[in-house]
Amino acid sequence: AQRVTQPEKLLSVFKGAPVELKCNYSYSGSPELFWYVQYSRQRLQLLLRHISRESIKGFTADLNKGETSFHLKKPFAQEEDSAMYYCALKPGGYQKVTFGTGTKLQVIP
Amino acid sequence: DGGITQSPKYLFRKEGQNVTLSCEQNLNHDAMYWYRQDPGQGLRLIYYSQIVNDFQKGDIAEGYSVSREKKESFPLTVTSAQKNPTAFYLCASSAVEVGGNEQFFGPGTRLTVL
Repeated sequence: AQRVTQPEKLLSVFKGAPVELKCNYSYSGSPELFWYVQYSRQRLQLLLRHISRESIKGFTADLNKGETSFHLKKPFAQEEDSAMYYCALKPGGYQKVTFGTGTKLQVIP
Repeated sequence: DGGITQSPKYLFRKEGQNVTLSCEQNLNHDAMYWYRQDPGQGLRLIYYSQIVNDFQKGDIAEGYSVSREKKESFPLTVTSAQKNPTAFYLCASSAVEVGGNEQFFGPGTRLTVL
């Protein structure tokens, strides 16, 4: 069975500080990993996916298969980063997507 | 925002009544999903469909039913058998392709059982 764990419900950081949102997964095959973000009063939307290996809004995430992790990082937090962040896993070749419980990021001015 | 819509935005239901939530998409996506979002529990998958006339149970399907008669539509019925139906319901869709399928989400429906 596939599982996604986000250990922090709330992460508070000061503006300009580094951010790391943790995501660990369990899946025996080759998964596709995603980070979704939900800003206040907006729809849930994709932030980034591991296969793209790109930086979006200064955020990056590297898939570490050895540690089964996909942590989201940003070197300098901005106030507009305050939102709910969800890590998600999709098994390769299948459509069932599993989400973590989410981490609320609060950036303090 | 466009592409995937849900209606109504708010829905009130008396105990013992069935209620149907609407989800429509014009993105030509094959896959559609229903999630339930509760505080502290993230998104939990109720049902999903990979193609018309086919759907699979997710992790919390008990007390829910769906249909997929058209590619554009994936309605969810919350039945009286669902013990704790008050929640925020999200619908999503995605293309079915190899590698990195982004899900597009609707605005959600908040269901309250009175």
